[in-house]
Amino acid sequence: AQSVSQHNHHVILSEAASLELGCNYSYGGTVNLFWYVQYPGQHLQLLLKYFSGDPLVKGIKGFEAEFIKSKFSFNLRKPSVQWSDTAEYFCAVNAPGNTPLVFGKGTRLSVIA
Amino acid sequence: GAGVSQSPSNKVTEKGKDVELRCDPISGHTALYWYRQRLGQGLEFLIYFQGNSAPDKSGLPSDRFSAERTGESVSTLTIQRTQQEDSAVYLCASSLGLGTGELFFGEGSRLTVL
Repeated sequence: AQSVSQHNHHVILSEAASLELGCNYSYGGTVNLFWYVQYPGQHLQLLLKYFSGDPLVKGIKGFEAEFIKSKFSFNLRKPSVQWSDTAEYFCAVNAPGNTPLVFGKGTRLSVIA
Repeated sequence: GAGVSQSPSNKVTEKGKDVELRCDPISGHTALYWYRQRLGQGLEFLIYFQGNSAPDKSGLPSDRFSAERTGESVSTLTIQRTQQEDSAVYLCASSLGLGTGELFFGEGSRLTVL
């Protein structure tokens, strides 16, 4: 069974600091990888996704993630965070085809001025 | 509507009562999912529907949980004889098809069992 580990439960950063949120998954085959974000009071929405090709994917709002197959990782990065990035971030994985997404427990990001 | 709609947004019930949660997916989306999010936990898959295929019920935690979907429209998640551990936010999502990856989520139904 697939599983997703997000190492950080809560991250607190100052504005303009760089961000990296860890995500590791356990699945030996081909996977699709995703980051979802939930801003306070809003519903979950897709931040970025990787299906194949360039392992460095860019998403909305300046976020990017790098798929490193050998490490089973898909870490989320942003060079300079803003207060508006305060949210909960979820990594998710599924095997291509008819399988539902498996989510990590989420990382809460708090950006302070 | 433009997005996934869930109702009620909040439900407080007494232990042992039955509850029904409703999800109205985005029009044209053939796949519909239910997830549960307990406090401090990630999203726990419950069930999904894909078109007219038999639903994947592998994530339902017990036989007190059931779900139905009418064609490719509304879905209802029913929890019978609720227990306190059922307290959670129940999230519904839809997508154009299973495996496409981009799920569109509703705002969830927060269930509190006293």
